[in-house]
Amino acid sequence: DSGVTQTPKHLITATGQRVTLRCSPRSGDLSVYWYQQSLDQGLQFLIQYYNGEERAKGNILERFSAQQFPDLHSELNLSSLELGDSALYFCASSETDRRLFGYTFGSGTRLTVV
Amino acid sequence: AQTVTQSQPEMSVQEAETVTLSCTYDTSENNYYLFWYKQPPSRQMILVIRQEAYKQQNATENRFSVNFQKAAKSFSLKISDSQLGDTAMYFCAFMKLNNDMRFGAGTRLTVKP
Repeated sequence: DSGVTQTPKHLITATGQRVTLRCSPRSGDLSVYWYQQSLDQGLQFLIQYYNGEERAKGNILERFSAQQFPDLHSELNLSSLELGDSALYFCASSETDRRLFGYTFGSGTRLTVV
Repeated sequence: AQTVTQSQPEMSVQEAETVTLSCTYDTSENNYYLFWYKQPPSRQMILVIRQEAYKQQNATENRFSVNFQKAAKSFSLKISDSQLGDTAMYFCAFMKLNNDMRFGAGTRLTVKP
């Protein structure tokens, strides 16, 4: 157990629907990052939150949004889903003062859009 | 923008032999961090090794070591005495001081018995 909790582990939904992915960071970590990994692809950075505020934004579609709550958990909302949104979505967390230790990743949420 | 390039989509190695995975990156930063992550079939992202750019000494973790060439912006991973459990996707990653980490496309390594 890495300490980063992602729920649900698997999600199957239809095109046009909206889903919410949840992430609880490792205890003490203020930063949360979301990544998308399509089949056999690398990890594409979506968005970063630090202590409740958006810190950096990557290639995140306008149909996607995220937020980080006061208890530091984060949610990634995906709407108007398309077949191409099927992917593994990773959440990672880090402690700002321990950059050398990199990110701690959750086990991912596998989203299948049918 | 920082980019990370892994030029070897797939590699294979015989068990007990040594293999080197390549990674180059592009940045104008002077201080940064570099990482190799392993992603086995379980899809979990596992940190293998890390390197601080201001340290000239190459990092080593048991059978894993890196060859960090800052001027050439190269960060290769050497796996010695390869084991079947090393079979996985390997991702090179670059992180700026503000914690923004970017990944390469990955190298699929297969260790053959």
